[in-house]
Amino acid sequence: GAGVSQSPSNKVTEKGKDVELRCDPISGHTALYWYRQSLGQGLEFLIYFQGNSAPDKSGLPSDRFSAERTGGSVSTLTIQRTQQEDSAVYLCASSFGPGNQPQHFGDGTRLSIL
Amino acid sequence: DQQVKQNSPSLSVQEGRISILNCDYTNSMFDYFLWYKKYPAEGPTFLISISSIKDKNEDGRFTVFLNKSAKHLSLHIVPSQPGDSAVYFCAALYSGDKLTFGTGTRLAVRP
Repeated sequence: GAGVSQSPSNKVTEKGKDVELRCDPISGHTALYWYRQSLGQGLEFLIYFQGNSAPDKSGLPSDRFSAERTGGSVSTLTIQRTQQEDSAVYLCASSFGPGNQPQHFGDGTRLSIL
Repeated sequence: DQQVKQNSPSLSVQEGRISILNCDYTNSMFDYFLWYKKYPAEGPTFLISISSIKDKNEDGRFTVFLNKSAKHLSLHIVPSQPGDSAVYFCAALYSGDKLTFGTGTRLAVRP
């Protein structure tokens, strides 16, 4: 379809392993965002890419988290040395940024750390 | 510090009646507000938005009201339908930056 695509939809891994989550934004959207939703919590901002500008990393919870966006399109969120508190649903969104535009979300990756 | 608050975690409404979901915010710099609807195992779906220069925006059965002096907005759904049962998130933007979300209100529409 033409929406935001995320993979994998589910990921179960052992504590201490690294994981990579992928996001394919809507074609033509220049802004890309990562959020996460922990159990019983609202959505929490992680990182924001806008065009070729330096990303806004202000929401990343620790230096174990990093993200990149190659060619202004696909983005990967990497979590190194995963911890149990990293378990959450990781959501990607894109928009015709910048400016006040609705962000459109993928269905998320449910990450479970054993 | 929760800048966007949805104080009602759940709401139950009879089919055909009005659903009113409320949201309060503390940051007066927010200039754009959005409502999202979320079904289980799916990402949030954009519903309706309002700029801070307006006090009302209507789209079909959905109307959003903004009271800037009270830092309060609400989403009205009328008439409510069983398919409207979902979690509703209020969100706010400042200068087109990242969204700040409330914790959500679970709406159940009873047939």
